[in-house]
Amino acid sequence: AQSVTQLGSHVSVSEGALVLLRCNYSSSVPPYLFWYVQYPNQGLQLLLKYTSAATLVKGINGFEAEFKKSETSFHLTKPSAHMSDAAEYFCALNTNAGKSTFGDGTTLTVKP
Amino acid sequence: DAGVIQSPRHEVTEMGQEVTLRCKPISGHNSLFWYRQTMMRGLELLIYFNNNVPIDDSGMPEDRFSAKMPNASFSTLKIQPSEPRDSAVYFCASSEQVTMYGYTFGSGTRLTVV
Repeated sequence: AQSVTQLGSHVSVSEGALVLLRCNYSSSVPPYLFWYVQYPNQGLQLLLKYTSAATLVKGINGFEAEFKKSETSFHLTKPSAHMSDAAEYFCALNTNAGKSTFGDGTTLTVKP
Repeated sequence: DAGVIQSPRHEVTEMGQEVTLRCKPISGHNSLFWYRQTMMRGLELLIYFNNNVPIDDSGMPEDRFSAKMPNASFSTLKIQPSEPRDSAVYFCASSEQVTMYGYTFGSGTRLTVV
């Protein structure tokens, strides 16, 4: 069985500070991993994806994530938070077995 | 591309009424997913289709819920009869392939059953 765990349902950072959102996964086969962002009253939007081509993946809006097989992690980072980054972020996992498994989400608050 | 298009954006209905939610996936995407999102339960997969065929409907909460995909460009999710506990945001998403491309989500339908 596959699963995704997002550590911390709420993360608060100051504007300009580092953003770190944590995601750990469990999968018996090589996974495809994704981060999505959801702004209020909108659908989820794909931020970035890992599909085994490179372990450090860059996405939109200055976000990046690093796949670490030994730690079964795929944490999302951004060097400097902006007010517009305030949203809910979801980590997701796919395998060749089919549908995505989503984490419970992490709400990011950015303080001025 | 206009993205995944859902209609209506908002729906308010009375308990017991039939509700139909509609989705137009991105052209060329062969997988379609229906999700429900609530504060209490988060994001739940209800059903997904591959090449218009339902593959997994284990998330459909009960027989009041049904989904169809008559062709590659249209899907519906129907609730009959609706109940207040069905109030949620319903998302449709599509993908080029089930596993590695990620999903494109629509803007959702906010359903309120009173």
